[in-house]
Amino acid sequence: TQLLEQSPQFLSIQEGENLTVYCNSSSVFSSLQWYRQEPGEGPVLLVTVVTGGEVKKLKRLTFQFGDARKDSSLHITAAQPGDTGLYLCAGALLSYALNFGKGTSLLVTP
Amino acid sequence: DAGVTQSPTHLIKTRGQHVTLRCSPISGHKSVSWYQQVLGQGPQFIFQYYEKEERGRGNFPDRFSARQFPNYSSELNVNALLLGDSALYLCASSLEGGRGLGLGTQYFGPGTRLTVL
Repeated sequence: TQLLEQSPQFLSIQEGENLTVYCNSSSVFSSLQWYRQEPGEGPVLLVTVVTGGEVKKLKRLTFQFGDARKDSSLHITAAQPGDTGLYLCAGALLSYALNFGKGTSLLVTP
Repeated sequence: DAGVTQSPTHLIKTRGQHVTLRCSPISGHKSVSWYQQVLGQGPQFIFQYYEKEERGRGNFPDRFSARQFPNYSSELNVNALLLGDSALYLCASSLEGGRGLGLGTQYFGPGTRLTVL
């Protein structure tokens, strides 16, 4: 059973389009993290959201944490080919382990 | 500054063999975690070590074991390899990790790609 469900699983868009990736759970997390992973590389942390309702912006990326701290979203404005990669959400229910979603594989074509 | 390093980069083994994967954390980090990422899935937690003590173990069989050395580097060992062990094995290090102190920000290495034939 996956604690964190991500949707969509795959996304193929053209440069300049906007997109939103969702991360949902039935569990309450003290924080959620978003990572981006490129082929052959380890995940790289993009952001950590901690407070329910929190919105964080990282250039063209906007991250939101749900009020109940069970879900999160990642919105990308005007996607670029360099945004291509696997986007993973993760949270810690235990003090020693991260639970990851299956990820959303994004392809942005010129 | 050097990030988390892992060796080897790629490895091919046959069923039944044993494998040892190595990880060097970021300088100053005392916590090392291991994750397994099967193709098309998110990483799954295997172990966490802090100050050379095992703090947590995921749902993996006893064929998987690990240890952390006095310099905080770590080894992951897998015995009696199965085809299903083929995956990217990721190591992550963090500053925190002591009991009651939470997980801290995890910094991942590039991983070791293990193929079992």
